[in-house]
Amino acid sequence: EAGVAQSPRYKIIEKRQSVAFWCNPISGHATLYWYQQILGQGPKLLIQFQNNGVVDDSQLPKDRFSAERLKGVDSTLKIQPAKLEDSAVYLCASSPRGAESSYEQYFGPGTRLTVT
Amino acid sequence: AQSVAQPEDQVNVAEGNPLTVKCTYSVSGNPYLFWYVQYPNRGLQFLLKYITGDNLVKGSYGFEAEFNKSQTSFHLKKPSALVSDSALYFCAVEGFKTIFGAGTRLFVKA
Repeated sequence: EAGVAQSPRYKIIEKRQSVAFWCNPISGHATLYWYQQILGQGPKLLIQFQNNGVVDDSQLPKDRFSAERLKGVDSTLKIQPAKLEDSAVYLCASSPRGAESSYEQYFGPGTRLTVT
Repeated sequence: AQSVAQPEDQVNVAEGNPLTVKCTYSVSGNPYLFWYVQYPNRGLQFLLKYITGDNLVKGSYGFEAEFNKSQTSFHLKKPSALVSDSALYFCAVEGFKTIFGAGTRLFVKA
């Protein structure tokens, strides 16, 4: 079974530029998560999708971050414009969460973003 | 509000000794509790979970965790540590949404 795929793996941009990350979850997983992990901290949930609907985006800085999962499969996370404090690893995870499913999350390798 | 606390930034243990990595939580209702491990240059991996039932849950690589509702704790344990267990460990709680602790770095000395 293929794992969660993310691209790119690394990205360096200047502040005020825009950037987009892509995630392809494990096949059949209904729930998709985007996390921000700043060095030395635990992952912070940015947005959670159930199929193509948003379950929680309370911690997504909506003035600069956006995310979509149009067909309920892969997803993109965009930052526009980027700030220095956006430097972090962006993790995508998926879960087969459902009424009769287990709840653990499967994580991709992450995208390391550096904003200069 | 939901929260997860991992009171120790680092835990040091000698190989062959038992290890404990602590986690306490605050969440309304019945929580789902998880432990994940992050090895250097590798993604987060699921170790074990508590959803309901027996308070002692067993997971991957010989790890287990004990759910204590009265103390709102979910400590990770292993009877005999290996050098290869050295990694960053995260406790997570899923109530209304998923919240991760700050992580505890486990260092096992040979």
